[in-house]
Amino acid sequence: QKEVEQNSGPLSVPEGAIASLNCTYSDRGSQSFFWYRQYSGKSPELIMSIYSNGDKEDGRFTAQLNKASQYVSLLIRDSQPSDSATYLCAVTASNTGKLIFGQGTTLQVKP
Amino acid sequence: SAVISQKPSRDICQRGTSLTIQCQVDSQVTMMFWYRQQPGQSLTLIATANQGSEATYESGFVIDKFPISRPNLTFSTLTVSNMSPEDSSIYLCSVAPAENTGELFFGEGSRLTVL
Repeated sequence: QKEVEQNSGPLSVPEGAIASLNCTYSDRGSQSFFWYRQYSGKSPELIMSIYSNGDKEDGRFTAQLNKASQYVSLLIRDSQPSDSATYLCAVTASNTGKLIFGQGTTLQVKP
Repeated sequence: SAVISQKPSRDICQRGTSLTIQCQVDSQVTMMFWYRQQPGQSLTLIATANQGSEATYESGFVIDKFPISRPNLTFSTLTVSNMSPEDSSIYLCSVAPAENTGELFFGEGSRLTVL
């Protein structure tokens, strides 16, 4: 079992729709969770962090965390073509504090 | 935030040679890391670059293959030694300006192709 699992996609949504990206993790002791966005040919950039169960909203982005289910998700409302990118879920390992990345989900927003 | 400059941005190398990648940060940072991203894959941590001491390597990575220097809090180098085609990858420098080591800033990456 991979430590951080994501569906590689591609996930295709029409412009204006809600994109839902999911991530599961294996380390039950993990406390910090992050979403990075990586455009093709570019380096990753942090877009969301979440540390407590529940939802965290930032503009069109909402991160959701359920530690009991070991599940993190990212919702993108009113998806735009400029949101087309690979979204990487990352989790800090409870024993080392190091960041572990999932394989990423490629999102395509079609005009 | 932190501005990170990496060079070279890309290079084509011959098998058996070595290449050093430089990473310069515009501010002093405690935590600096080197990642590898192979084609179509996610990021794998190579090592933590420690200022003034030997780097801390992750499982599967060794100092002889990936020597790292960090002479001060704003600069680090990663050398990829005795390269083979399997080393073709993007190498990324990243920093954690705050204590939260999950909130990373990345350099632009160095894309290496080994022939």
